[in-house]
Amino acid sequence: KQEVTQIPAALSVPEGENLVLNCSFTDSAIYNLQWFRQDPGKGLTSLLLIQSSQREQTSGRLNASLDKSSGRSTLYIAASQPGDSATYLCAVDPRATDSWGKLQFGAGTQVVVTP
Amino acid sequence: ETGVTQSPTHLIKTRGQQVTLRCSSQSGHNTVSWYQQALGQGPQFIFQYYREEENGRGNFPPRFSGLQFPNYSSELNVNALELDDSALYLCASSLGPGGNQPQHFGDGTRLSIL
Repeated sequence: KQEVTQIPAALSVPEGENLVLNCSFTDSAIYNLQWFRQDPGKGLTSLLLIQSSQREQTSGRLNASLDKSSGRSTLYIAASQPGDSATYLCAVDPRATDSWGKLQFGAGTQVVVTP
Repeated sequence: ETGVTQSPTHLIKTRGQQVTLRCSSQSGHNTVSWYQQALGQGPQFIFQYYREEENGRGNFPPRFSGLQFPNYSSELNVNALELDDSALYLCASSLGPGGNQPQHFGDGTRLSIL
């Protein structure tokens, strides 16, 4: 059974510092891994999607890496800003035919960027 | 292009009641997935609908049921509400049911059970 873990559960950094968020998963049979942002009481906004054949994906200040063999992904946010304060969730799309398309999420990392 | 919309945004019910939540999928999307997110947790998959048929179900009891309509919008019904059903219910739509189809999420319905 796939388990997705995010450590730490919460993180506070001063503005300008780089953020490093970690995600681990137990079953490497995945189609892709996706990082989402969630503001309080809101839905999920997709940030980056890394296909299983890719090693990393970049968008602006965001960079996500994927090491499928070790079951790890890392989201880097460069030069953090107070507007980056949110909860960040990772989710895997399992490759098993009875599970594909049924995203499995970690519990998230709550980030606070202080001015 | 209209994104995924959910209604209502907030709902308060009492134990034992029934509730219906609604989701309009993004234009061109034929698949809708529902997730339950308890406070402080990641979303948990409830079920998925593809072309009006249930296409997979997570570990939720039968009192959680759904429908998908010909226009691909969807409903989530929960009977005999329990306190633990208090959560944010998220709907996501995608171009198809298979793996590797990006899912686009709505803002959710916040359900509170008293």
